[in-house]
Amino acid sequence: QVQLQESGPGLVKPSETLSLTCTISNGSISGYYWGWVRQPPGKGLEFIGYISYGGSTEYNPSLESRVTISRDTSKNQFSLQLTSVTAADTAVYFCARYATDPENFDHWGQGALVRVAS
Amino acid sequence: QSALTQPASVSGSPGQSITISCTGTSYDVGNYKYVSWYQQHPGKAPKLIISEVTKRPSGISNRFSGFKSGNTASLTIFGLQAEDEADYYCTSYATSSSVRVVFGGGTKLTVL
Repeated sequence: QVQLQESGPGLVKPSETLSLTCTISNGSISGYYWGWVRQPPGKGLEFIGYISYGGSTEYNPSLESRVTISRDTSKNQFSLQLTSVTAADTAVYFCARYATDPENFDHWGQGALVRVAS
Repeated sequence: QSALTQPASVSGSPGQSITISCTGTSYDVGNYKYVSWYQQHPGKAPKLIISEVTKRPSGISNRFSGFKSGNTASLTIFGLQAEDEADYYCTSYATSSSVRVVFGGGTKLTVL
């Protein structure tokens, strides 16, 4: 069973860059899509984006100007960068494996709370 | 505002059945078989419980059932149990001008 684990700072200052890494274990990063979903406190899920097995990316248009998802196949990791953060970016950030056809996230990390505050 | 519309809350007693609706458009739910449902307990990650409208992943109870008609998908939980109390989210593949993956706003299920 593939397992995912998010890591990164739990506190980021306004206007700075949020950076998270997802480490994949019991499975290979190759051959799959990998993505990020976030959930503000007390609110619903929001798709951030994903990176394909070929390295192409697709992002939520509402975040596209600030988001970069990348991968390091040698480390079996993929990462999220979100620039110019504000308090509205405070959320639990989940990394997940995206299964194409059926087009859903079938394996999830436990989530990482990132707070944006000075 | 979420792209897919779900009721904010539903409730039922143990042993009863409940249905959660998920209404989209012809650009998402209405045009694709790619409707999924997730269960999320407090403080936990979402868990995939229904894939491709009706399919249950391995290990998911057959008390969970999915259906779709037109632009509306639904999740029915038969024989409610206390552990079913959670938030439920629908999602669909989409080809509108906006995001490719759209989530519903979520439904809080309370088992009375």
